[in-house]
Amino acid sequence: EPEVTQTPSHQVTQMGQEVILRCVPISNHLYFYWYRQILGQKVEFLVSFYNNEISEKSEIFDDQFSVERPDGSNFTLKIRSTKLEDSAMYFCASRTGGSTEAFFGQGTRLTVV
Amino acid sequence: DAKTTQPTSMDCAEGRAANLPCNHSTISGNEYVYWYRQIHSQGPQYIIHGLKNNETNEMASLIITEDRKSSTLILPHATLRDTAVYYCIVRDGRDDKIIFGKGTRLHILP
Repeated sequence: EPEVTQTPSHQVTQMGQEVILRCVPISNHLYFYWYRQILGQKVEFLVSFYNNEISEKSEIFDDQFSVERPDGSNFTLKIRSTKLEDSAMYFCASRTGGSTEAFFGQGTRLTVV
Repeated sequence: DAKTTQPTSMDCAEGRAANLPCNHSTISGNEYVYWYRQIHSQGPQYIIHGLKNNETNEMASLIITEDRKSSTLILPHATLRDTAVYYCIVRDGRDDKIIFGKGTRLHILP
């Protein structure tokens, strides 16, 4: 069964460093998303992406964040200068154009030290 | 903000039907009811969704009341692997993002 793949599963980085989280969405999907979940808290929407541009972003998604679809398969989330409070699980999701249910990856656990 | 109210937690015996309630009294005519679950910090998993008719798939059944102000997700024969947080989400079909609430933590007891 096709699935959304995220790498790495766990990333440890020093405060102030840049990180790139990678996602390979399901191949025929057109809409892409990033969510995050701080330990013990709700899953929070960050950004949606369609047709090579951001379609919606939350207040969390400030200038330190950016997304890119550099080729036909990868979808990345970059955090320019990480802060301690960026420590969280980051989930990528995707969906087709003809359906409304999104499929999530298994997440990347980001730890900022 | 989440437009739904769910119990914080529930227990269900293994092999029994798990019935998870959800209130969505302010739901509007073009909003669907979606259910997702999250097993121990894994990515959320889509279960089922519906507008006004009851729905069934290989995972679960969704019963929506006639006034659409509440619904129940039914896992017909719960197993230990169904232990998870279950999210009831009300969402416009045109709305792109999913807004997660706190969900119901379902414990399946052996």
